[in-house]
Amino acid sequence: QVHLQQSGPGLVKPSQTLSLTCAISGDSVSSNSASWNWIRQSPSRGLEWLGRTYYRSKWSTHYAVSVKSRINIKPDTSKNQFSLQLNSVTPEDTAVYYCARDGGGSLFWGQGTLVTVSS
Amino acid sequence: QSVLTQPPSASGTPGQRVTISCSGSSSNIGRNTVNWYQQLPGTAPKLLIYGTNQRPSGVPDRFSGSKSGTSASLAISGLQSEDEADYYCATWDDGLYGHWVFGGGTRLTVL
Repeated sequence: QVHLQQSGPGLVKPSQTLSLTCAISGDSVSSNSASWNWIRQSPSRGLEWLGRTYYRSKWSTHYAVSVKSRINIKPDTSKNQFSLQLNSVTPEDTAVYYCARDGGGSLFWGQGTLVTVSS
Repeated sequence: QSVLTQPPSASGTPGQRVTISCSGSSSNIGRNTVNWYQQLPGTAPKLLIYGTNQRPSGVPDRFSGSKSGTSASLAISGLQSEDEADYYCATWDDGLYGHWVFGGGTRLTVL
C-alpha cells in the first residue's frame, strides 16, 4: 500500500521560495514503473499539473510551461522522497499543493498542503 | 481555463441517474484513457474510475465511465446523499514529454 506524506511550510513570503517534500512509503522513488508528480489546486486555476520526475535507467524531469522558469523537482533516493521548489512566488501561487504517484495511467495523491503566499 | 471542459454543476434526487461530461481534444482524451476523481471538502481527490471504465476495488458499481472520440462521461446511478462532492476528469496529454490535464470540476448536489 503506497502512502505519500507531504511536509513543508504553509506560509511563504512573496518573492521567496516555496519548498515542499513528499515522503514515499510502500514504493521506491527509483521505481522503473512510476513517476512522481506535483500538482496544485486553486479556485482561480483549478487543478494544475506542475511537473514530474521518474527513473528509467536514468533520471528525467519535466515541467509545465507555466512554471518552467522557476520550478525544480528533485528525487532523494537516500530518503525515498522527492521535493518541490518554486522560486519567486507571488500571491497567485497560493494553492493546495499535492504530490502524486503515477503508477501507469492513474494518480494516487498525497494529503495536500495549503500554501499561502503573503507578507 | 482548464484543458478539459466539464459542466460546473449537476444535480439529482436520491435514486436518480446523473451523468457528468468531460470534453477534450485529439491530443488527450482522443488518444488516452480517462480517470475520474471524487473530491470531498478538505480532502485530496480520490480515484473513482481509471482506464476510462474501470473501478478500483471498493468503488460501488453505481459509478461507471465511458468515452467516445474526444469526450468522456461519468454516470452515477442510484444517487445517494453521500455522492454529493466535486468530480474531476483527468487524462494524459501527448504534448512535448506529455503531461496530465484536468477538467474544471463538477459540483454534484443531491437534492
